[in-house]
Amino acid sequence: QQPVQSPQAVILREGEDAVINCSSSKALYSVHWYRQKHGEAPVFLMILLKGGEQKGHDKISASFNEKKQQSSLYLTASQLSYSGTYFCGTDYNYGQNFVFGPGTRLSVLP
Amino acid sequence: DTEVTQTPKHLVMGMTNKKSLKCEQHMGHRAMYWYKQKAKKPPELMFVYSYEKLSINESVPSRFSPECPNSSLLNLHLHALQPEDSALYLCASSQMGQGGSPLHFGNGTRLTVT
Repeated sequence: QQPVQSPQAVILREGEDAVINCSSSKALYSVHWYRQKHGEAPVFLMILLKGGEQKGHDKISASFNEKKQQSSLYLTASQLSYSGTYFCGTDYNYGQNFVFGPGTRLSVLP
Repeated sequence: DTEVTQTPKHLVMGMTNKKSLKCEQHMGHRAMYWYKQKAKKPPELMFVYSYEKLSINESVPSRFSPECPNSSLLNLHLHALQPEDSALYLCASSQMGQGGSPLHFGNGTRLTVT
């Protein structure tokens, strides 16, 4: 069952912040976040496992609210290199039903 | 540089041709995947190999035939494809089964069926 992502697209100016949400109707075991630039392969950003943890590196972090079955990706002080499509991937059956969300297209302008 | 290598980068084939896509990883990962991605869509799972055995086949038409010769290699054999099969085909690997560990993607093969 595909998770829902919001917003579908967002345009930022360099230095602005953004939040991308990913939600599921089923209890989740894990949530992944990937970024894909045009013409390139998806690149792994982070994984959050059941337990409600928050992870981050540099200015990109994520949270996982187990009760709400929702994850949020936080991009702070955005850079031009952050542009791309962000996909969340969710798994509710310990690896048997991993599926990507529809994606959020992020554009960072100078 | 990606640690999952896919060849060829581009492939154009007719509907009667037989071709193969190849994928190689040397990270010691025990799970390997084939995904299909259409423009502006998320990757869509086709096949999963776990410890060199086919563990998931997402109802993919038989004109796509996967093969895992050893723990480092993954092939996708193509035969009698349709124009709607044109897409980016991505190979990925992970240390454990999907969901529990990150997916490492190759750069993909862009396939055009004429």
